[in-house]
Amino acid sequence: QKEVEQNSGPLSVPEGAIASLNCTYSDRVSQSFFWYRQYSGKSPELIMSIYSNGDKEDGRFTAQLNKASQYVSLLIRDSQPSDSATYLCAVITGNQFYFGTGTSLTVIP
Amino acid sequence: GAVVSQHPSWVICKSGTSVKIECRSLDFQATTMFWYRQFPKQSLMLMATSNEGSKATYEQGVEKDKFLINHASLTLSTLTVTSAHPEDSSFYICSAIPRPGDQPQHFGDGTRLSIL
Repeated sequence: QKEVEQNSGPLSVPEGAIASLNCTYSDRVSQSFFWYRQYSGKSPELIMSIYSNGDKEDGRFTAQLNKASQYVSLLIRDSQPSDSATYLCAVITGNQFYFGTGTSLTVIP
Repeated sequence: GAVVSQHPSWVICKSGTSVKIECRSLDFQATTMFWYRQFPKQSLMLMATSNEGSKATYEQGVEKDKFLINHASLTLSTLTVTSAHPEDSSFYICSAIPRPGDQPQHFGDGTRLSIL
């Protein structure tokens, strides 16, 4: 079983809709969780971090963490075509940093 | 803050040559740097973790004699692809953290390597 799993997609949503991206992880002791956005041909950029259960909001982005169920999600409200990218979930367990395979998101104008 | 510079951003060279990629932390000292490789439409694959002043730790399946990593200072790590072949063509990305276990990783802009 992989440490971090994401649906590869592609996920398509119309402009203005909510995009929901999900990630599950295997190790219960994982303590830190991140969402990165990666445009084609570019390196990942950090968009959200979350460390405790519940929701964390930053502009149009909301990260949700549920440690009991071992999942972390990212909601993008009012999706824009510029949000079209691959979204990588990353989890830290101890000193190890694990990336998911990424979910490709396309926002259709 | 936390800027990581990677150079070159794009390189094309002939098969059999060696290519060096630099990764610099510009505004912080990076005890630990990571090197990733990413093929088209695939996720990041960690190649190795380098700690300043010590030998890099390579992931399973990564040839240490082919991908030479040097982390001689707290702001610079280099990856040298030796005797590169077309199958080594890929997007190479470095990241850095001030200390082991720090979070999150700060990524360079990546190097696109094309071997003819």
